[in-house]
Amino acid sequence: RKEVEQDPGPFNVPEGATVAFNCTYSNSASQSFFWYRQDCRKEPKLLMSVYSSGNEDGRFTAQLNRASQYISLLIRDSKLSDSATYLCVVRLTDSWGKLQFGAGTQVVVTP
Amino acid sequence: GAVVSQHPSRVICKSGTSVKIECRSLDFQATTMFWYRQFPKQSLMLMATSNEGSKATYEQGVEKDKFLINHASLTLSTLTVTSAHPEDSSFYICSARDRPGGLQETQYFGPGTRLLVL
Repeated sequence: RKEVEQDPGPFNVPEGATVAFNCTYSNSASQSFFWYRQDCRKEPKLLMSVYSSGNEDGRFTAQLNRASQYISLLIRDSKLSDSATYLCVVRLTDSWGKLQFGAGTQVVVTP
Repeated sequence: GAVVSQHPSRVICKSGTSVKIECRSLDFQATTMFWYRQFPKQSLMLMATSNEGSKATYEQGVEKDKFLINHASLTLSTLTVTSAHPEDSSFYICSARDRPGGLQETQYFGPGTRLLVL
């Protein structure tokens, strides 16, 4: 079983619409949670951290459910530039602060 | 924000040769650097954790004699793929951490190196 699991998609979203997707993690000792964005053939870039109480950053809303061990990301008013692969990332409690990555959820925003 | 560079951005080599990839933190001191590998449609997989001045810690299943890591300074870590084979063809990405500990400490990623072994 993968440590961090995501629906690979693709999620085809009309411009202006809302899209949401989840990720589940298996290690209950996971300490911190993030969403990264990765464009084709590029490195991952931090989109936002995910806090226990849930948090928003503009059109992006992240939620964390520790009891069920899942994280969600919602994108409102989708833009064409939101097309990317969104990586769910979990940081372990080890001394190095190692990150575990999901394989990503592909989002394609269409005109 | 902090910048991490990698060199080269892409490399094509013959089977059996060795390839060195450099990872540099340009405007901060990185006590810890991480090396990842990503195959198409798959997640980033951590290969090893590198601390300045000490031996790298390799993840299970990663051959330390094949993937040589040197972290000689606070701004430079190198990954050498020795005797590369076609199955080593992948996207290699490094990241650098700008401060130890901290709940929201950030890893900054390099732009990655595409390795193709013929």
